[in-house]
Amino acid sequence: KAGVTQTPRYLIKTRGQQVTLSCSPISGHRSVSWYQQTPGQGLQFLFEYFSETQRNKGNFPGRFSGRQFSNSRSEMNVSTLELGDSALYLCASSLAPGVETQYFGPGTRLLVL
Amino acid sequence: AQSVTQLDSQVPVFEEAPVELRCNYSSSVSVYLFWYVQYPNQGLQLLLKYLSGSTLVKGINGFEAEFNKSQTSFHLRKPSVHISDTAEYFCAAMTTSGSRLTFGEGTQLTVNP
Repeated sequence: KAGVTQTPRYLIKTRGQQVTLSCSPISGHRSVSWYQQTPGQGLQFLFEYFSETQRNKGNFPGRFSGRQFSNSRSEMNVSTLELGDSALYLCASSLAPGVETQYFGPGTRLLVL
Repeated sequence: AQSVTQLDSQVPVFEEAPVELRCNYSSSVSVYLFWYVQYPNQGLQLLLKYLSGSTLVKGINGFEAEFNKSQTSFHLRKPSVHISDTAEYFCAAMTTSGSRLTFGEGTQLTVNP
């Protein structure tokens, strides 16, 4: 069974631009969570989607948004990029929210110049 | 709210030596506990998890962890490490009613020949 895939793997943007990252969960998984990883703040929860509905949102500004499609694929969008948005964005999928193991993708590394 | 503290940011050891990576958690409610490993330029891989039952949990690659409720700790151990164990290790907690992971700051394990 294929793992979690994230595209693109690397991305360079400039301040003020917007970016969309994509995550395809493991087949059969319906829950997708997003995390931001930076050297300064570590791993922080962004949001979680299940059955096309956002169930949880972390403490991030409204510039960060996401959605989930009927096939469970998820996208996250960051508008008006700032230098501090440079990070590794990790997507994790699980069968359902809660105690089910979250399987992580390789991440998308975003560099904002 | 819960928090996770990893007591060592870097742990250097020699090959075939035992290792312990320390993790303490703080939560006003019951939590599930996890250890993840991250190899360079990769996502997170689950090593083991504690949900309930036996406090000694065995995971992949010869790792094990012990849940100590009175000490609020979940330390990760391996009796004999290999060069290939060099990676960053993250301890994480999730409330039993939630689904978002709260991560510690990470411990860089470096195994030297």
